[in-house]
Amino acid sequence: NAGVTQTPKFRILKIGQSMTLQCTQDMNHNYMYWYRQDPGMGLKLIYYSVGAGITDKGEVPNGYNVSRSTTEDFPLRLELAAPSQTSVYFCASSYGTQFFGPGTRLTVL
Amino acid sequence: GNSVTQMEGPVTLSEEAFLTINCTYTATGYPSLFWYVQYPGEGLQLLLKATKADDKGSNKGFEATYRKETTSFHLEKGSVQVSDSAVYFCALSGRSSGSARQLTFGSGTQLTVLP
Repeated sequence: NAGVTQTPKFRILKIGQSMTLQCTQDMNHNYMYWYRQDPGMGLKLIYYSVGAGITDKGEVPNGYNVSRSTTEDFPLRLELAAPSQTSVYFCASSYGTQFFGPGTRLTVL
Repeated sequence: GNSVTQMEGPVTLSEEAFLTINCTYTATGYPSLFWYVQYPGEGLQLLLKATKADDKGSNKGFEATYRKETTSFHLEKGSVQVSDSAVYFCALSGRSSGSARQLTFGSGTQLTVLP
């Protein structure tokens, strides 16, 4: 039981590039979430999903997109990377208590 | 909306000292309250939780009591260890329908324990 896994662990992007952050959970949780964590700050919710085929915006969705075609996977897409998206990104899944992945550290230069 | 206010850090203590990290919240209804811990380079791990007023969550020597009258959920430990050095986040989850159990986090408190 791997829990919540995220890839990649680290990534450097140039302004305007795009990428997908991968998130997979093997706990059969319906609820999944994407957060970003900026230095010295708490986590801010980007998008969430209550089940396959259903997604909704969180507090800071601009510049991001998500999809949820299966229960297990919840990828986060950055279409036109900007320096303001430099952050650590955490995926989580939940049946009541949220379980977090190890994070992806993204730098946009 | 919901919000969580945490004691600002960083906090530096000597081993075996008493720890308190203050957390207060604003929420409608009766939220569930959580403390998460983040060790260097890792994701967040649930430390403890409480789901109703006067509940006490406890784990690994840490405790926190859900105080509705003061809207607080302060984290305490009687004797900290070097291995407790981490960032601690207070969070709440609203009970309103459609909330999808979203968590609202405080800004985190960095704890360093010196030997």
